[in-house]
Amino acid sequence: AQSVTQLDSQVPVFEEAPVELRCNYSSSVSVYLFWYVQYPNQGLQLLLKYLSGSTLVKGINGFEAEFNKSQTSFHLRKPSVHISDTAEYFCAVSENRGSTLGRLYFGRGTQLTVWP
Amino acid sequence: DAGVTQSPTHLIKTRGQQVTLRCSPISGHKSVSWYQQVLGQGPQFIFQYYEKEERGRGNFPDRFSARQFPNYSSELNVNALLLGDSALYLCASSEQRGTEAFFGQGTRLTVV
Repeated sequence: AQSVTQLDSQVPVFEEAPVELRCNYSSSVSVYLFWYVQYPNQGLQLLLKYLSGSTLVKGINGFEAEFNKSQTSFHLRKPSVHISDTAEYFCAVSENRGSTLGRLYFGRGTQLTVWP
Repeated sequence: DAGVTQSPTHLIKTRGQQVTLRCSPISGHKSVSWYQQVLGQGPQFIFQYYEKEERGRGNFPDRFSARQFPNYSSELNVNALLLGDSALYLCASSEQRGTEAFFGQGTRLTVV
């Protein structure tokens, strides 16, 4: 079974500072990895995804993430945050084959709050 | 292009009632999945449909059911509502199973 752990429930940071949101997962099979962002009262928007290839993945809004297979991690980073980055961020995994193909398993979320 | 659309956006029901939530996928997408997001938690998988057939079911009671229509739209039904069913219900569509999922804005269900 899949599980996703987001190590920080809340991350406060000042504007223009760097930020890292941590995500670890467990799986017995090969996986795809995703980061989603959710603004208040809205659905989920895909920030970036790792399917295969380069372990450093770049996404929208200046975010990037690095897949570390040995540590089963997929941490999200941004070198300089803006007020508008304040939102809930979810890490998710899915198996890339088998009967659960396409099923997303989410972490509990990390609330990023950017202060001026 | 229209994204994934869900209706209604908000809904208030009383315990014991039944509710139907609707989802229209992006044009050309054949797979629809449903997720429940309880306040303060990540979304939990409920159902996956592909080509009008159920392809996966999460750990939810039989009170939850769904179907996919020939035009690939989908409905989620919940019977005998409980207070604990209060949540944001999210629909996601993808071209195929396993390809990128696009989420709708969700339906906020409140059970009183």
